[in-house]
Amino acid sequence: KQEVTQIPAALSVPEGENLVLNCSFTDSAIYNLQWFRQDPGKGLTSLLLIQSSQREQTSGRLNASLDKSSGRSTLYIAASQPGDSATYLCAVRPSGGSNYKLTFGKGTLLTVNP
Amino acid sequence: DAGVIQSPRHEVTEMGQEVTLRCKPISGHNSLFWYRQTMMRGLELLIYFNNNVPIDDSGMPEDRFSAKMPNASFSTLKIQPSEPRDSAVYFCASSQGKSYEQYFGPGTRLTVT
Repeated sequence: KQEVTQIPAALSVPEGENLVLNCSFTDSAIYNLQWFRQDPGKGLTSLLLIQSSQREQTSGRLNASLDKSSGRSTLYIAASQPGDSATYLCAVRPSGGSNYKLTFGKGTLLTVNP
Repeated sequence: DAGVIQSPRHEVTEMGQEVTLRCKPISGHNSLFWYRQTMMRGLELLIYFNNNVPIDDSGMPEDRFSAKMPNASFSTLKIQPSEPRDSAVYFCASSQGKSYEQYFGPGTRLTVT
């Protein structure tokens, strides 16, 4: 059974700092990995999706990497801003017939202080 | 597009009462998912529909939970009778196909007292 772990559970940084969020998964047979953002009282917003054949994806100040063989992904946020404060979730999608089934980590709560 | 629509946004009910959560997926999406989010267990898939047919309900916790999708634009998740341990945020998501990106609704926060 796939298990996804996110470390740290919470992170507080001053504005302008670069930071890294970590995600690890136990089964490397994945179709893709996705990073989401969740704001309080809101749904999930997709940030980046990395296919299993890719090593990284970038969008603006965000960069996500994937090392499938070691079961790890990182989300790098450059020059953090207070508006980046949210919970960040990673989710893996398995390869094979059950590739509708996202398995989520419990998230990292990020606070960026002005 | 308005995105995935869920109602109600908040529901407070007493133990033993029936609760019905509603979802309208994005038009044209043929896959619909119900998730539950708790602090202890995170986000878990409850049930997956494809073309209005339930494909995987292995995540439904027990017989008190049921879900229907009578047509392509509407789905319900029902809990009868509700219990305090059902308190959670319930999300609905839809996608163009089973392996396509899922779009999430804002969720329904359920509190059972």
